[in-house]
Amino acid sequence: EAGVAQSPRYKIIEKRQSVAFWCNPISGHATLYWYQQILGQGPKLLIQFQNNGVVDDSQLPKDRFSAERLKGVDSTLKIQPAKLEDSAVYLCASSSDRLSYEQYFGPGTRLTVT
Amino acid sequence: AQSVAQPEDQVNVAEGNPLTVKCTYSVSGNPYLFWYVQYPNRGLQFLLKYITGDNLVKGSYGFEAEFNKSQTSFHLKKPSALVSDSALYFCAVRGLKAAGNKLTFGGGTRVLVKP
Repeated sequence: EAGVAQSPRYKIIEKRQSVAFWCNPISGHATLYWYQQILGQGPKLLIQFQNNGVVDDSQLPKDRFSAERLKGVDSTLKIQPAKLEDSAVYLCASSSDRLSYEQYFGPGTRLTVT
Repeated sequence: AQSVAQPEDQVNVAEGNPLTVKCTYSVSGNPYLFWYVQYPNRGLQFLLKYITGDNLVKGSYGFEAEFNKSQTSFHLKKPSALVSDSALYFCAVRGLKAAGNKLTFGGGTRVLVKP
C-alpha cells in the first residue's frame, strides 16, 4: 500500500512570497490533516478535512494560510504572504475515517523563509 | 484543553540497556494515547496506542508502554535498546470530547543510543 505522498520535499522562499504544498493521502482515506512542526516542537494541527469538508481549522492562521481538498482526495496548503515564523516542516497525514485511531504521516515539506 | 508533557528533551542510553521515555497528559474524560517515532527527514511513524483494556500496550519494534491513570502517565519502554532506536519520539493524546480526531502532541524526546 502506497503511503502519504507530499511535494515538494524542500522549499526556500523569501518573506512576503507565496508557496503551496501538495499532499496525496493513502487511497481510500477519507480524513486528511495538515500539521505544522516548528523545529524543536511537536506537530500542531492546522486543519482537518473529512472528505472535502473542513472539520477543524481552529488553529489555521486564516489571514495568510488556506487549504483545500476539492475532490476529497488530494489537498493543497497555501501560504500567502509568508513570514519568517512560517519556517517549519509541514506534515500531511491521513486516516481511514474521522474516528480512526491511527494517522499515517507523509515525509513532510521543509519550508525555509528568508 | 488537552495537553501532553515530555519532561526530557533527550535521553541517552547504552545499547542493550533498558530505555524509558516519559510522558504525562491532561485531558477531559478517558484518554486515547499514542506514541510516534520520527527519523531524520521522515514523517512520523506510529508505534503503539492505548484505547482501553490492559494497561500494558505492546507495539512495533519491541516497544511497549504502560498506561497509569492515577499518575496520568504513558511512559514508553524498551527492555533492550538498539543503536537504530536513536530518533525523536512523540507522545500524543486525544480526548473523547475532542472534535474529530484531533491529536495533541508533546514536544518530543530525542533518544540517543550509544554502541
